Amino acid sequence: SAVISQKPSRDICQRGTSLTIQCQVDSQVTMMFWYRQQPGQSLTLIATANQGSEATYESGFVIDKFPISRPNLTFSTLTVSNMSPEDSSIYLCSARGVEAFFGQGTRLTVV
Amino acid sequence: GDSVTQMEGPVTLSEEAFLTINCTYTATGYPSLFWYVQYPGEGLQLLLKATKADDKGSNKGFEATYRKETTSFHLEKGSVQVSDSAVYFCAPGSGAGGTSYGKLTFGQGTILTVHP
Repeated sequence: SAVISQKPSRDICQRGTSLTIQCQVDSQVTMMFWYRQQPGQSLTLIATANQGSEATYESGFVIDKFPISRPNLTFSTLTVSNMSPEDSSIYLCSARGVEAFFGQGTRLTVV
Repeated sequence: GDSVTQMEGPVTLSEEAFLTINCTYTATGYPSLFWYVQYPGEGLQLLLKATKADDKGSNKGFEATYRKETTSFHLEKGSVQVSDSAVYFCAPGSGAGGTSYGKLTFGQGTILTVHP
């Protein structure tokens, strides 16, 4: 099984600022994913990040708001840009092999 | 696209009661099926999985069988404990061979509370 380290684990940010979340996997994986879990809700996929190509975004999510980097097979970042209180959520990264592994999540509060 | 219908909660049980959380899905291709659990204040953990029809995933006394004919993956436990109190998510994962391989579609989650 893969171990995924995600940081920061939590942050409180001012509206209008940006936050970059880092995700490190202890083994090489082809596919990484970023999810959002809004308070009391289920997980929604933001985008798929493959190494060497642009991220693929799900409906309702755009690159300008959630730029993603995937410089190698063990690392990815998600930036939440120009934040508003509606962006307050838990953001999780995931790596998929035979099964999906998740980081501990980043609990973001925008004030 | 893929979708999941999961039993609504919250579910409240007494310790040692029998648990069933229903999950049905629609998916293209041949998905793998997963149950994830989120304990209070913690991250998402894989509880069990099944990768092909009639497979039974099991872990910590929980079981779920991949029923292709009914597109279901119901979670069961014969005797729940207080420590099982958590949120449970059913999630089909897109199978290999497609452009969406690896994506998980999550159900809405079922909150389980077990009382002593």
